Amino acid sequence: AQSVTQLDSHVSVSEGTPVLLRCNYSSSYSPSLFWYVQHPNKGLQLLLKYTSAATLVKGINGFEAEFKKSETSFHLTKPSAHMSDAAEYFCVVSRANAGKSTFGDGTTLTVKP
Amino acid sequence: NAGVTQTPKFRVLKTGQSMTLLCAQDMNHEYMYWYRQDPGMGLRLIHYSVGEGTTAKGEVPDGYNVSRLKKQNFLLGLESAAPSQTSVYFCASSFSGINTGELFFGEGSRLTVL
Repeated sequence: AQSVTQLDSHVSVSEGTPVLLRCNYSSSYSPSLFWYVQHPNKGLQLLLKYTSAATLVKGINGFEAEFKKSETSFHLTKPSAHMSDAAEYFCVVSRANAGKSTFGDGTTLTVKP
Repeated sequence: NAGVTQTPKFRVLKTGQSMTLLCAQDMNHEYMYWYRQDPGMGLRLIHYSVGEGTTAKGEVPDGYNVSRLKKQNFLLGLESAAPSQTSVYFCASSFSGINTGELFFGEGSRLTVL
């Protein structure tokens, strides 16, 4: 069984300040973990993924995430928010078989000028 | 450079009507998926396919059927639409299984059932 919990449904930051979007997972096997971003009225786009290699993963647009097995977390961070980062973010946990993935409920990031 | 294309983008149906959503990908991906997205519920997998001629059920398959007659196309059908099927539907594809492969998404199809 697997599950993913995004701890905040909404996060608001000021432009130029750090971003932290929190994700905890539960899995009975070694998971793969992903973060996707969805801009309004668009499809989802991959930000980064963890697949049992380096625990600190760097993605696009300056985002990174750290896999912490002891804490079962995969939090997404960015040092300095940009207005264009305003979007919805999804944490995803999956296993080896196709289709066996679970999406979090999403976190809406608002960036204030 | 189309990627994943969904048609139609918007549709309004009456209860009991049928319709088909078409997903086409030009990346030669083996795996294709249909998800629905509802407010505050993330994405839920309806059906998926691991190759031409194959389909499998996801988390929420009831009320939907799919077909993958050609590798590049994945069709989602509603035989008798219900208001509970009002949602935004996303098609996705990947080169390998979801565990290792990036998912490429279409821009969504917004369906309203009255």
